[in-house]
Amino acid sequence: DAGVIQSPRHEVTEMGQEVTLRCKPISGHDYLFWYRQTMMRGLELLIYFNNNVPIDDSGMPEDRFSAKMPNASFSTLKIQPSEPRDSAVYFCASSLKQGRITYEQYFGPGTRLTVT
Amino acid sequence: AQSVAQPEDQVNVAEGNPLTVKCTYSVSGNPYLFWYVQYPNRGLQFLLKYITGDNLVKGSYGFEAEFNKSQTSFHLKKPSALVSDSALYFCAVMGRRALTFGSGTRLQVQP
Repeated sequence: DAGVIQSPRHEVTEMGQEVTLRCKPISGHDYLFWYRQTMMRGLELLIYFNNNVPIDDSGMPEDRFSAKMPNASFSTLKIQPSEPRDSAVYFCASSLKQGRITYEQYFGPGTRLTVT
Repeated sequence: AQSVAQPEDQVNVAEGNPLTVKCTYSVSGNPYLFWYVQYPNRGLQFLLKYITGDNLVKGSYGFEAEFNKSQTSFHLKKPSALVSDSALYFCAVMGRRALTFGSGTRLQVQP
């Protein structure tokens, strides 16, 4: 398996533009997570899905952020309009949970977003 | 709500010496605990986890972690550090709201 795939790896955009980050989870995993990492705030959970359904989006900072998971193999995180303070590394992760057994999360390589 | 504390921003150790990276947690119910490592410009990589069973958990790259329920700790250890172990280490606890990560500890192993 190729692991969690994220694209693009780097994104530079101007303030006010729409940004779309993409993630392909590991096949067979039923949980998908979006995180944001900054020096100031560390690693923050933004939203997570179970079987393509958003379970908890309380970490999404503002209405400018939205996430979708139209099928088990694809998710997007969209920022519209983008602002300089959105500059961060955005990680996608996936995992498998069966009953009471919790499996570890596998992270993608991240998308480094710079908003100028 | 669950939380994780990593009290040290950075740990310095000489190559060949044992290393410990500290982690304490707070969670209601049984804790599910994890350690991850992040190398520069990479995503987080899973090292090991504690779900139940033996308090000493062995993981990847020779790392192990000791679960201590009375002290609510889950310290990461390695008997002999390598320069290549230099990275950012995150402790995490599973709660109702997925994983909660600590702030991270930068491990620097000097040759």
